[in-house]
Amino acid sequence: DVKVTQSSRYLVKRTGEKVFLECVQDMDHENMFWYRQDPGLGLRLIYFSYDVKMKEKGDIPEGYSVSREKKERFSLILESASTNQTSMYLCASSLLPSNQPQHFGDGTRLSIL
Amino acid sequence: EDQVTQSPEALRLQEGESSSLNCSYTVSGLRGLFWYRQDPGKGPEFLFTLYSAGEEKEKERLKATLTKKESFLHITAPKPEDSATYLCAVPKYNNAGNMLTFGGGTRLMVKP
Repeated sequence: DVKVTQSSRYLVKRTGEKVFLECVQDMDHENMFWYRQDPGLGLRLIYFSYDVKMKEKGDIPEGYSVSREKKERFSLILESASTNQTSMYLCASSLLPSNQPQHFGDGTRLSIL
Repeated sequence: EDQVTQSPEALRLQEGESSSLNCSYTVSGLRGLFWYRQDPGKGPEFLFTLYSAGEEKEKERLKATLTKKESFLHITAPKPEDSATYLCAVPKYNNAGNMLTFGGGTRLMVKP
C-alpha cells in the first residue's frame, strides 16, 4: 500500500512566522502535490513537483513556496504566515503517467493566530 | 476548461436504502476518472479508477460505473460506516505531472 506521511496532524503558528509542512512518500512516486481544503471551496492545488528540484505552480501559489531535494520528500513553506492561511493542508503523490491516481496523506490542520 | 460536477451535494439514507451518487464531467480527452472517499479530518482515500465507457469496478457495497459523460457510484444496502464525503476527479492535461480536477463532493450520511 502507498503510504504518504505528513509530519504533523495539527499545528498552531503565529502571524508572520515561517512555517514548514513536510510530506514523505514511500512508493518511489515521481509526482508530489500540495493542496489546501476549505469548507465550500473544495480541494485547491497549491504546487506540485514531477521530479527532484522541479516545481510547478498550481491554482493558488501566492504566499507559498515548495522544496523537493529528495524524491520521497516534498515540503510546503509559508513564507510569512497569515490568518487566511488557516486551513487543512493535504499532500499527495502519484506515478508520473497522467492516468494514475493520486494518493493522499491524512492532512495537517494548520491554525494561524 | 475541464469541469467536474457532483450531485447531490448531500444525501441522507437509512441503513439498507440503496442509492447512487453522480459525477458528470466535461474534459477534452478523458484519461481516467477517480473516486475517493474522505472521512472528516482525514485525507481522501483512493477507491477506484475507471478508464473507459462501460467499465465497472466494485468494492464491498460500492460499484462505480462510467459513461462518456458521467460516472455513478452505486451504494447497495449502505451501512452507517459508509458515511463519508465521496469525491470524483479527472486528470487534466499538462506537460508535467498529472493535475486533477476535483468535483465538489457528495456528503453521504447513513442512519441506523
